[in-house]
Amino acid sequence: DQQVKQNSPSLSVQEGRISILNCDYTNSMFDYFLWYKKYPAEGPTFLISISSIKDKNEDGRFTVFLNKSAKHLSLHIVPSQPGDSAVYFCAASSGTYKYIFGTGTRLKVLA
Amino acid sequence: NAGVTQTPKFQVLKTGQSMTLQCAQDMNHEYMSWYRQDPGMGLRLIHYSVGAGITDQGEVPNGYNVSRSTTEDFPLRLLSAAPSQTSVYFCASSSVAGGLKDEQYFGPGTRLTVT
Repeated sequence: DQQVKQNSPSLSVQEGRISILNCDYTNSMFDYFLWYKKYPAEGPTFLISISSIKDKNEDGRFTVFLNKSAKHLSLHIVPSQPGDSAVYFCAASSGTYKYIFGTGTRLKVLA
Repeated sequence: NAGVTQTPKFQVLKTGQSMTLQCAQDMNHEYMSWYRQDPGMGLRLIHYSVGAGITDQGEVPNGYNVSRSTTEDFPLRLLSAAPSQTSVYFCASSSVAGGLKDEQYFGPGTRLTVT
């Protein structure tokens, strides 16, 4: 049973436009969410996080939105750059030391 | 700082063989964890540790053992490798000072093939 779902395996966006990556979760106990970026042959790197007490967190070109009633979060990248091409994972935690990751979305930013 | 290091980068095992995947971090992080990444499955937590002498199971612990004798090292042991353990393995660490609000730092991964 996948508690964290990323239903779009891939996404292509033109350089300069907005990229929106989506993540849905089923466990209402999750209270902390993170996004990681992964390049081929490397480990994931942390991008941005959000606590369940907030509905938005912004860091430069990256903004994460959380809709608790819909159990949905999204990552917005504006403007998208070719260097953003990578696989993006969302992850969730319920206050324990266990993180549950989604299956990832491969973003391709076209120059 | 080297961050999180993993050895080896690649390994091929025969079914039934044993091996240890090494993980070390030099950031004095309390929390360390092991994940496996499989196509279409994302990252799944195998085992984790919140400090020396303390370990616990993640989502997919069967077939794997861990121990944490020092803050720096967190080896993952496969006692009898099976083809289902063919995967890419990532080790990660983080501080817990922020109460789990700290990001995890991942190693570069070990690609394991079991034939």
